[in-house]
Amino acid sequence: AQSVTQLDSQVPVFEEAPVELRCNYSSSVSVYLFWYVQYPNQGLQLLLKYLSGSTLVESINGFEAEFNKSQTSFHLRKPSVHISDTAEYFCAVSEYGSARQLTFGSGTQLTVLP
Amino acid sequence: DTGVSQDPRHKITKRGQNVTFRCDPISEHNRLYWYRQTLGQGPEFLTYFQNEAQLEKSRLLSDRFSAERPKGSFSTLEIQRTEQGDSAMYLCASSLDGTRTGNTIYFGEGSWLTVV
Repeated sequence: AQSVTQLDSQVPVFEEAPVELRCNYSSSVSVYLFWYVQYPNQGLQLLLKYLSGSTLVESINGFEAEFNKSQTSFHLRKPSVHISDTAEYFCAVSEYGSARQLTFGSGTQLTVLP
Repeated sequence: DTGVSQDPRHKITKRGQNVTFRCDPISEHNRLYWYRQTLGQGPEFLTYFQNEAQLEKSRLLSDRFSAERPKGSFSTLEIQRTEQGDSAMYLCASSLDGTRTGNTIYFGEGSWLTVV
């Protein structure tokens, strides 16, 4: 069975500063990897995903994540954050060949300070 | 594409009552999932349907919980004899089968349940 660890439960950062949200996973088979974002009292929105190919994936709003197979990591980064990026971020994994439901980490609350 | 819709968005119920949530997936999606999310935690998988067939259930889904997808379109999640520990957000999600989209799972806004 797979598992996901998000190492930081809360990350406060000042506006326009860079940020990295860490995610490590454990699985005995190959995986797909995802980052979802959740704004208060809302459902989850897909931010970006790694399926195959280039290990660096990007979102339309400036986030990027890099799949590192040797370190079993999929950290999320943004070079300059905005107030509007304040939200909960969830890393998730699904295994090849399974029913492909997602296993989520416990989330990282990103708070961007003015 | 109107997205995954859930109803009701909020429900407050007394302990011991039954509640039912409805989910309408994205129209062409044949997979439908239910997850539960409690405060400060990531969503946890409950069950999933391929068309009308319920193919997998988590051990979290006690016998007080039942999910259906009678015609392979919308789904309902019923909780009988609710307990305070059932208070959570219930998320519905859907996806296309196969690898064409990398099986991206799209979530609804969630249904908040508060058991008092």
